[in-house]
Amino acid sequence: QVQLVQSGAEVKKPGASVTVSCKASGYTFTNYDIHWMRQVPGQGLEWMGWMNPDSGSTDYARNFQGRITLTRDLSISTAHMELTRLTSDDTAVYYCAKAQVRDNWFDPWGQGTLVIVSS
Amino acid sequence: DIQMTQSPSSLSASVGDRVTITCQASQGIHSFLIWYQQKPGEAPKVLIYDATHLKAGVPSRFSGSGSGTDFTFTISSLQPEDIATYFCQQYDNVPLTFGGGTKVEIK
Repeated sequence: QVQLVQSGAEVKKPGASVTVSCKASGYTFTNYDIHWMRQVPGQGLEWMGWMNPDSGSTDYARNFQGRITLTRDLSISTAHMELTRLTSDDTAVYYCAKAQVRDNWFDPWGQGTLVIVSS
Repeated sequence: DIQMTQSPSSLSASVGDRVTITCQASQGIHSFLIWYQQKPGEAPKVLIYDATHLKAGVPSRFSGSGSGTDFTFTISSLQPEDIATYFCQQYDNVPLTFGGGTKVEIK
């Protein structure tokens, strides 16, 4: 079945960087865009950006420009999200999700990765 | 950016009740709206896409309506397993944006 499996929880200090991985299976990785969202515990969802795994092209939300980098490793069908210069405001659950061929809605989502930023 | 205003932020209803959630876009988004269900500790799951289309395998008690700026999500008969938070998302324009969520509880 189509599945996205994310890397495990991370604890980082302010100013550090974090990389979250998202391994795809059950479909052709290069055929569908991968998007990233985050959710502060108890709050809503925030879109961060997307990547076309085939071309490697990306687009980032304005709030994350300069701090986020999306990459992929085609050999292992895995997408990566790196977020730098972390602050406590970046404490959240981070999700990857597979877009549809034509539309930017997401199914399925990864299980989520909790990133805690604390000194 | 398109703002998605979802209401109410929470509601409490009895099993068997009809539940309605609304989502209003700050500008027209055609029918490019999706409704997700999120249970605690889980990722969101698709219920309704293109504003009105029920995803295969989703119970028919869930439905969606609307186009343009005003959208409605309905559970025709609330079941105990429907306890969750429901989100709308517009996909007409980047940046993609979500409603604030509606937490549904059993009275």
